[in-house]
Amino acid sequence: QQQVKQSPQSLIVQKGGISIINCAYENTAFDYFPWYQQFPGKGPALLIAIRPDVSEKKEGRFTISFNKSAKQFSLHIMDSQPGDSATYFCAASRGTGGFKTIFGAGTRLFVKA
Amino acid sequence: NAGVTQTPKFQVLKTGQSMTLQCAQDMNHEYMSWYRQDPGMGLRLIHYSVGAGITDQGEVPNGYNVSRSTTEDFPLRLLSAAPSQTSVYFCASSPPGALPTQYFGPGTRLTVL
Repeated sequence: QQQVKQSPQSLIVQKGGISIINCAYENTAFDYFPWYQQFPGKGPALLIAIRPDVSEKKEGRFTISFNKSAKQFSLHIMDSQPGDSATYFCAASRGTGGFKTIFGAGTRLFVKA
Repeated sequence: NAGVTQTPKFQVLKTGQSMTLQCAQDMNHEYMSWYRQDPGMGLRLIHYSVGAGITDQGEVPNGYNVSRSTTEDFPLRLLSAAPSQTSVYFCASSPPGALPTQYFGPGTRLTVL
């Protein structure tokens, strides 16, 4: 019930292409779904987040699509750039403070120039 | 603002040794957490604190102790290091409020021989 399943484990995309990372959760008590981006040797940093009362959120080239009935959400990176090469974590959270956040296993994205 | 700072960046211990990983934040955040990151397993919560003097266990607390005497500092103590504690450790903080966004430090890479 507490798991967040993320796929794929790794992803190689051509520059200018679309990167898609998928996540699924089980616990319907989650009410906040962030994506974190992590560059090598750095800590994760919030990229974009969504609440379950909306089906899509877009910030620049990054879009979260959310399907509440299927308990799935995904990150789309449009016009992928080499600078987007990083590890991406989806997460699900409830309440305040963030310490009830469950993270997915991560996706290593490599964008080929 | 320095944000969340962690020391040391790297550490090698022998089995049975003890040490303290330091974490400090200058954003006046009430909530602080410690995570460990292992390949293919995302981030797992070790301990967290909702304020000075208040701590609680996360998903993987065994072998670790924490204390929170000030708002700014949240050290993590390894009592008797084991090879299974080889990992990258991240400290995070978050402000109280509706969005449980966490701000992560740069991490400490720990190797236990």
